[in-house]
Amino acid sequence: ELKVEQNPLFLSMQEGKNYTIYCNYSTTSDRLYWYRQDPGKSLESLFVLLSNGAVKQEGRLMASLDTKARLSTLHITAAVHDLSATYFCAVDSDKLIFGTGTRLQVFP
Amino acid sequence: KAGVTQTPRYLIKTRGQQVTLSCSPISGHRSVSWYQQTPGQGLQFLFEYFSETQRNKGNFPGRFSGRQFSNSRSEMNVSTLELGDSALYLCASSLGTGAEQFFGPGTRLTVL
Repeated sequence: ELKVEQNPLFLSMQEGKNYTIYCNYSTTSDRLYWYRQDPGKSLESLFVLLSNGAVKQEGRLMASLDTKARLSTLHITAAVHDLSATYFCAVDSDKLIFGTGTRLQVFP
Repeated sequence: KAGVTQTPRYLIKTRGQQVTLSCSPISGHRSVSWYQQTPGQGLQFLFEYFSETQRNKGNFPGRFSGRQFSNSRSEMNVSTLELGDSALYLCASSLGTGAEQFFGPGTRLTVL
């Protein structure tokens, strides 16, 4: 059964710092998604990664996909408080299998 | 273009009751998937419907069921509610299998 692991589970970081969230998955897939979830809210789509080597950037967030290593990363550049949320990766294996989520807190 | 809508947004039930949740997909989307989100188990796939047929099912007991209508609207039903069914239930729609899924606002179910 496909497993998706995210780390870290919790991330407390200072504004202005950089950090990377990792998403490892156990079987072959070439479609991976990143979502953001604010407390009590639904999932907001951030990135859709459809092929090996795909890299997408939006503002301070950049996501990449290495299908051979079965690894995706979400890199945060110069964090700001508004990025505080929980971030999920999800692998498409005929259904979405979600990672555990990374709860990000950005403090001044 | 209107997004995915779910009704009701909040629901409180007691153990043993049953509940029906509704999801209206984005216009033109024929696939609807349901997910359960709990603090302990995270986000888990319940089932997917496409053109009124269930094409995929997650690892949930038979108390969880669903259906899809000819207009692609979907309902899910949970019978004999248990405390552990308290969760945020998310519906997502897409053009079809493998296409990007767009999530609705969710229904927060509390079982007392």
